[in-house]
Amino acid sequence: EPEVTQTPSHQVTQMGQEVILRCVPISNHLYFYWYRQILGQKVEFLVSFYNNEISEKSEIFDDQFSVERPDGSNFTLKIRSTKLEDSAMYFCASWEAQGGPGNTIYFGEGSWLTVV
Amino acid sequence: AQKITQTQPGMFVQEKEAVTLDCTYDTSDPSYGLFWYKQPSSGEMIFLIYQGSYDQQNATEGRYSLNFQKARKSANLVISASQLGDSAMYFCAMREGNNQGGKLIFGQGTELSVKP
Repeated sequence: EPEVTQTPSHQVTQMGQEVILRCVPISNHLYFYWYRQILGQKVEFLVSFYNNEISEKSEIFDDQFSVERPDGSNFTLKIRSTKLEDSAMYFCASWEAQGGPGNTIYFGEGSWLTVV
Repeated sequence: AQKITQTQPGMFVQEKEAVTLDCTYDTSDPSYGLFWYKQPSSGEMIFLIYQGSYDQQNATEGRYSLNFQKARKSANLVISASQLGDSAMYFCAMREGNNQGGKLIFGQGTELSVKP
């Protein structure tokens, strides 16, 4: 079964540093997402990306965050000037955006970010 | 207002018994999709089952079934013949049809513990 892959699986960073989380979505999918899950809390939507631009973003996704698709396969989330409260699991997801089984949004295994 | 509500923070079930995890949703969009994901302690989000708002029959996937009651706006997950490996966090999520970007809105989750 095709899968979404994320790197790194875990990253520890100093407060104030920049972090880039990487994702390889499923190849024929059209929409890509980043979600965040603070420990013990629910999964929160950050941003969706379609046709090489942001489709929608939440209020969490402020100027500290950016996304890009630098090539045909990778999808990245950049977090500038990290804060302690950015510590969370970050999930990448992708969606084929067609009917039937394509309705499923598939998630990667997540990237744990710890800001110290 | 919460769009997805899971009222059971934690549930216990005896191995081999069936268990129902509750989920209610709120939307005015006639077209929507409902999802259940499993999150084991390792953190990944595993897709379990999908129900479309226009689907005439309740979705089933192996031991998982979705008790979809549209008028009551509920989409409860039923796990039959529980196994120890079913112990995990379970999230209900919704995608509204009028959201072209297809983002998922998650509930707070239910932690299921299966007792031997």
